[in-house]
Amino acid sequence: KNEVEQSPQNLTAQEGEFITINCSYSVGISALHWLQQHPGGGIVSLFMLSSGKKKHGRLIATINIQEKHSSLHITASHPRDSAVYICAVRRAQGAQKLVFGQGTRLTINP
Amino acid sequence: GAVVSQHPSRVICKSGTSVKIECRSLDFQATTMFWYRQFPKKSLMLMATSNEGSKATYEQGVEKDKFLINHASLTLSTLTVTSAHPEDSSFYICSALEENNQPQHFGDGTRLSIL
Repeated sequence: KNEVEQSPQNLTAQEGEFITINCSYSVGISALHWLQQHPGGGIVSLFMLSSGKKKHGRLIATINIQEKHSSLHITASHPRDSAVYICAVRRAQGAQKLVFGQGTRLTINP
Repeated sequence: GAVVSQHPSRVICKSGTSVKIECRSLDFQATTMFWYRQFPKKSLMLMATSNEGSKATYEQGVEKDKFLINHASLTLSTLTVTSAHPEDSSFYICSALEENNQPQHFGDGTRLSIL
């Protein structure tokens, strides 16, 4: 079993819908990252969380450390939000490297 | 915001050629840089962690002599794929870390195609 599991793997929705992507992990962490990868391949770091909730524009990320679970929400989704969203964790012990989930491919139709 | 430049964005070359990919942090000094490989529709696979002035730490199963990493300064790391073969064709992406416990900043990736 992967240390970081995301669901769903694929998600298609209509423009305007509220989107939720989930991430569960099985190790102790010092931080959790949400990343966005566009079709061209470039990756943007959306959030880094160690507790609570963060909001940036239409994006909201939450984390529950006790339950080892995080969610990424997109409000009023738009076709330009179509991308692969990746959850990654930095383990509590050791190096700065990240452990990645398999990604969620989001498609927002107009 | 922090910018990482990766060059070239795409390379097509013949089997047996060595290919160098550069990763530069443009507006910050990177204590650590990471090199990843990504297969189609798969997540990123860490190849190695690179610290300025020291040898890279390779992940298990990654050939050190095949994938040479040099981190000569706090703003530049290079990955050289030596004597590349078609099975080395992939998407390679770097990231840079300014300080521990901060977000990694990613380059735009290099799509390598070996004919």
